[in-house]
Amino acid sequence: NAGVTQTPKFQVLKTGQSMTLQCAQDMNHEYMSWYRQDPGMGLRLIHYSVGAGITDQGEVPNGYNVSRSTTEDFPLRLLSAAPSQTSVYFCATLRRQGNSPLHFGNGTRLTVT
Amino acid sequence: GIQVEQSPPDLILQEGANSTLRCNFSDSVNNLQWFHQNPWGQLINLFYIPSGTKQNGRLSATTVATERYSLLYISSSQTTDSGVYFCAVAPETGTASKLTFGTGTRLQVTL
Repeated sequence: NAGVTQTPKFQVLKTGQSMTLQCAQDMNHEYMSWYRQDPGMGLRLIHYSVGAGITDQGEVPNGYNVSRSTTEDFPLRLLSAAPSQTSVYFCATLRRQGNSPLHFGNGTRLTVT
Repeated sequence: GIQVEQSPPDLILQEGANSTLRCNFSDSVNNLQWFHQNPWGQLINLFYIPSGTKQNGRLSATTVATERYSLLYISSSQTTDSGVYFCAVAPETGTASKLTFGTGTRLQVTL
């Protein structure tokens, strides 16, 4: 049982390039979300989804795009990378039922030069 | 949006000592979770605890929802407890999946 799988683990981009961070889950969780973690700032919510076909913005959505065509996948797209997007990105899933813990992937470390 | 404050920001303990980490939040919540981020960056869920008390081995947590705070207790600390501890909450008026994180307590356990 893989849980939440994020790819790639590391990525270096040049300013202006675009890329997609992949997130896949095999737990059939309804909710999926993307966070970024910067030093001293904890984790901040970028976008989230409560089910296939439904997405919404979190606290820091600018410069990022998401879609959710299946329950399993929730890719995060950087449209035109900027140095301010250098961060560690975490994907997380949650079952809609109560008492459900949030499950994280192992993260993608992104550097934009 | 909801505010989450964690204290202390940093903590250094000797192995075997006990500690209490605090999480204050600014609004009523329908979801509160504690996480440990190990030195390799992995985030592990410790507790789902929007109210009440839970225990898991040397760790326990208590949330007093009416007073808007939660406490994480670590007893007989070990070097493997080192890392950053995060509290995350979702407001009662919103979706449980929209969690807001505190900035964490960095714990270092020394021999």
